[in-house]
Amino acid sequence: GAGVSQTPSNKVTEKGKYVELRCDPISGHTALYWYRQSLGQGPEFLIYFQGTGAADDSGLPNDRFFAVRPEGSVSTLKIQRTERGDSAVYLCASSFSGQITDTQYFGPGTRLTVL
Amino acid sequence: AQTVTQSQPEMSVQEAETVTLSCTYDTSESDYYLFWYKQPPSRQMILVIRQEAYKQQNATENRFSVNFQKAAKSFSLKISDSQLGDAAMYFCAYRSAGYGNKLVFGAGTILRVKS
Repeated sequence: GAGVSQTPSNKVTEKGKYVELRCDPISGHTALYWYRQSLGQGPEFLIYFQGTGAADDSGLPNDRFFAVRPEGSVSTLKIQRTERGDSAVYLCASSFSGQITDTQYFGPGTRLTVL
Repeated sequence: AQTVTQSQPEMSVQEAETVTLSCTYDTSESDYYLFWYKQPPSRQMILVIRQEAYKQQNATENRFSVNFQKAAKSFSLKISDSQLGDAAMYFCAYRSAGYGNKLVFGAGTILRVKS
């Protein structure tokens, strides 16, 4: 595709449920990032993939959050036992490699609402 | 840890006028990049301009320019000849030099453009 795509655009779930958020990076990009943007805040880093492996998961808030990228392209962010505090926009970004000179291109995000 | 501060929650500018958005950051590193991203209501983050810390010359992209003061740890964005399409949330972001490093964002400034 031409840009980073994320599905679904919006997700409403109930407290305690499990959700999966999907990110399709730009074709050929090996680096993929997940960020979380709470209302009125800037995005906060969650996890960085280089290829299939999570190179930096220091931003994941707790063990309810997990992300995979099994084939080095599409990534899924998984949240178990959702809580109301998980409500936010989840942004995905990709870049050609992980070098600092590479621009991170963002998707439109998934707005998650936990009731 | 690095922090980014945007002290202006909201700014307004008349169409065709010039506006400056402020950003300060805190770091002990000497090599890093700074960015301004634009986030319209569509949520898609768009890179506006970036500055390499080792460059003394301020970056410029068409109507957008920065005033980078490394010693003061200040990185402001100037938008000249403001247009209605410039209305958005603007985020200042920091990235350490090195492979795969995450972006650290400020809280953002809402820019309103009056016709």
